[in-house]
Amino acid sequence: DVKVTQSSRYLVKRTGEKVFLECVQDMDHENMFWYRQDPGLGLRLIYFSYDVKMKEKGDIPEGYSVSREKKERFSLILESASTNQTSMYLCASSDYWSGNQPQHFGDGTRLSIL
Amino acid sequence: AQSVTQLDSQVPVFEEAPVELRCNYSSSVSVYLFWYVQYPNQGLQLLLKYLSGSTLVKGINGFEAEFNKSQTSFHLRKPSVHISDTAEYFCAVSSTSGTYKYIFGTGTRLKVLA
Repeated sequence: DVKVTQSSRYLVKRTGEKVFLECVQDMDHENMFWYRQDPGLGLRLIYFSYDVKMKEKGDIPEGYSVSREKKERFSLILESASTNQTSMYLCASSDYWSGNQPQHFGDGTRLSIL
Repeated sequence: AQSVTQLDSQVPVFEEAPVELRCNYSSSVSVYLFWYVQYPNQGLQLLLKYLSGSTLVKGINGFEAEFNKSQTSFHLRKPSVHISDTAEYFCAVSSTSGTYKYIFGTGTRLKVLA
């Protein structure tokens, strides 16, 4: 079974801090994704990566960056946290791209910015 | 561009009653279709997927969905729900070619009442 592990379930940070969210998958998947989940808005794609060191912006990349130095690890970085980045963050991975591969999700990180 | 609409944000239903959760999509190209379920404080997990072939797709936990190309719909059904089905359900599409992106609906919260 695919396992996607997010390093923290709950995180509380202060405005202006640099925040790192870590995600690791154990199935050698090519693709990894970071989403933000807010009530009534569903899942919105922040960034995705289709290979090591490769990344593409999603729909809401502003205020975020990502890093993928190893295939199994995909990090989301909030450069200078703001209160409007308080949200649930979900990491996902999928196998080679053909569109028909389902995504496998971690349990999420609930981030609060004070 | 693609979009997904889940018209019902909340659906209350009594235990052992049937339920249908609606999903409509818009796309200029062929798509793959997915339903995911999210239990409280967890990530999303795949319920079922439509890739090609038979338009009636069976998934886990007794759920099924029917792809209707003319109505661009992919409604999720279960003939008899249990309390344990209380969760949020997301419909998603991905393109059969092109981008790496999945588009998610805003979710339907199913509440099963005793």
